[in-house]
Amino acid sequence: AQRVTQPEKLLSVFKGAPVELKCNYSYSGSPELFWYVQYSRQRLQLLLRHISRESIKGFTADLNKGETSFHLKKPFAQEEDSAMYYCALLSGSARQLTFGSGTQLTVLP
Amino acid sequence: GAVVSQHPSWVICKSGTSVKIECRSLDFQATTMFWYRQFPKQSLMLMATSNEGSKATYEQGVEKDKFLINHASLTLSTLTVTSAHPEDSSFYICSAIDMDRTNTEAFFGQGTRLTVV
Repeated sequence: AQRVTQPEKLLSVFKGAPVELKCNYSYSGSPELFWYVQYSRQRLQLLLRHISRESIKGFTADLNKGETSFHLKKPFAQEEDSAMYYCALLSGSARQLTFGSGTQLTVLP
Repeated sequence: GAVVSQHPSWVICKSGTSVKIECRSLDFQATTMFWYRQFPKQSLMLMATSNEGSKATYEQGVEKDKFLINHASLTLSTLTVTSAHPEDSSFYICSAIDMDRTNTEAFFGQGTRLTVV
């Protein structure tokens, strides 16, 4: 069965510092991974997906199949980045998302 | 992006009553919808996958007779919590995808806060 692990429940960094949110997965098939973000009092929304290889709001994430990781990185954190971040794995013919437990990022001024 | 709307946003009901939560895709046809449950400060747990015109597929441990899911049209899925009890109090979230699109992205509703008293 597929599994997504986010080892950090809470992460605090200062504004301007680099930030890395860790995500590891286990899946027997070819993985399709996403990062979702939930800002305070807002709905969950897609931040980025690995197949797009894009940078959104300064965030990037590289799929490392050898380490089964999909860590989210940003070189210079901003206060508006404070939010809950979820790593998710898409699987199955029904296209189900399996979510990690989430990491609450707080960017301090 | 596409919009998924849930109604109601919050509901309080008495123990033993049933509550219906609606999930609508407003500007696309959702061939598949998903229902999640989220406990405070925890992740989203998939409850069931709902395909238009067919029976929902429930995850292990989710009582299908308690959480009735109906996906009668391509834009509407409903979750009915039957004979609700305080332990059913939670945040319920739906998401919808359009399987006809090449890049399937899941769009999420704003969630429904259910409190059973």
